[in-house]
Amino acid sequence: AQKVTQAQTEISVVEKEDVTLDCVYETRDTTYYLFWYKQPPSGELVFLIRRNSFDEQNEISGRYSWNFQKSTSSFNFTITASQVVDSAVYFCALTGTYKYIFGTGTRLKVLA
Amino acid sequence: GAGVSQTPSNKVTEKGKYVELRCDPISGHTALYWYRQSLGQGPEFLIYFQGTGAADDSGLPNDRFFAVRPEGSVSTLKIQRTERGDSAVYLCASSLSQGDDEQYFGPGTRLTVT
Repeated sequence: AQKVTQAQTEISVVEKEDVTLDCVYETRDTTYYLFWYKQPPSGELVFLIRRNSFDEQNEISGRYSWNFQKSTSSFNFTITASQVVDSAVYFCALTGTYKYIFGTGTRLKVLA
Repeated sequence: GAGVSQTPSNKVTEKGKYVELRCDPISGHTALYWYRQSLGQGPEFLIYFQGTGAADDSGLPNDRFFAVRPEGSVSTLKIQRTERGDSAVYLCASSLSQGDDEQYFGPGTRLTVT
């Protein structure tokens, strides 16, 4: 069975701090894809990144970076120099085909 | 370009009533998905369409739930004899084809059953 665990329910940081959101997954598939989505208060899920199981290169996009480690089945997300606009619920998701399995999300509050 | 749209944005209905939720995917996207998100949870898969056909409806909770996509574009999720436990946000997503393509989500329909 596939499973995604986001153990951090809620994190609060002060603006400009760095923050890492953890994601641990379980799957028996050899080929799979991992995603991060942002859900701001407006409610719409916003795609952030997709990573396939054969690509363990870390990725950086502006203030966002992702660390994929197959050895620990983790796909962690770091926001550098956080801003108030980063406040949202962040979801990690896993798929082997098309059915996304989402974690329960981490609510990030960035305080001014 | 236009994203995934869903109507209505909010729906309040009485227990036992029938409701229809509509999803208009991104133009050209052949794959369409419905998810349900309860408070404090991640979205849960309901059904997947490839074109006009439901390729996987294994996530539909029971036979009160049904979805159609007659022309391979707009989809309607139908819930009969609504129950209070059906209250949730219903999300629609579409992707270019299927599989590893990223899914683009609509704003959701918040359904409240009183």
